[in-house]
Amino acid sequence: EADIYQTPRYLVIGTGKKITLECSQTMGHDKMYWYQQDPGMELHLIHYSYGVNSTEKGDLSSESTVSRIRTEHFPLTLESARPSHTSQYLCASTTAGTGRATFFGQGTRLTVV
Amino acid sequence: DQQVKQNSPSLSVQEGRISILNCDYTNSMFDYFLWYKKYPAEGPTFLISISSIKDKNEDGRFTVFLNKSAKHLSLHIVPSQPGDSAVYFCAARVSSARQLTFGSGTQLTVLP
Repeated sequence: EADIYQTPRYLVIGTGKKITLECSQTMGHDKMYWYQQDPGMELHLIHYSYGVNSTEKGDLSSESTVSRIRTEHFPLTLESARPSHTSQYLCASTTAGTGRATFFGQGTRLTVV
Repeated sequence: DQQVKQNSPSLSVQEGRISILNCDYTNSMFDYFLWYKKYPAEGPTFLISISSIKDKNEDGRFTVFLNKSAKHLSLHIVPSQPGDSAVYFCAARVSSARQLTFGSGTQLTVLP
């Protein structure tokens, strides 16, 4: 079982608030990802990191930002939450090399009211 | 443009029978394919994968078949169990890119 953790699991917050979604993994994986999923839709990559101090935007444009100061930690921040940010956010990590699976955290379901 | 497509949003199967979940892709550069299972309010769980150099990979009740010429893969679950009821996502990647491209998922319901 993969050791990748996300907090909080659920978050309901008012418009305009700043929020940070936490993601940590204890596997020493160098590559980490944030995906966003709306109900019934595919997972879209919004951010990824190939190591400390490396962050890139993914396929889906997002107003969120990420940081990677430590290998095990990859938080996602929304400076000013809006109802359009309501979604499920999934953090994932993988090791280098081919033939390896990506492991996911349990996700954070964010609702902005 | 959706590069990984799961055209069936839902599938119902009787317990004990075979479940076949299908996935098509358009990017011929994809060389590694994975299936994930997802319960509501949980993150996806890795199930099984296949490299493009193979056409079949089996793990217990789960078998993935890859048809490169048709750009099609399928997941077979046999025998199906009620606990298999979940959303199944097909994913693909180009090895050099590392990030996954997901399909939209198929909701499998196994009826007791």
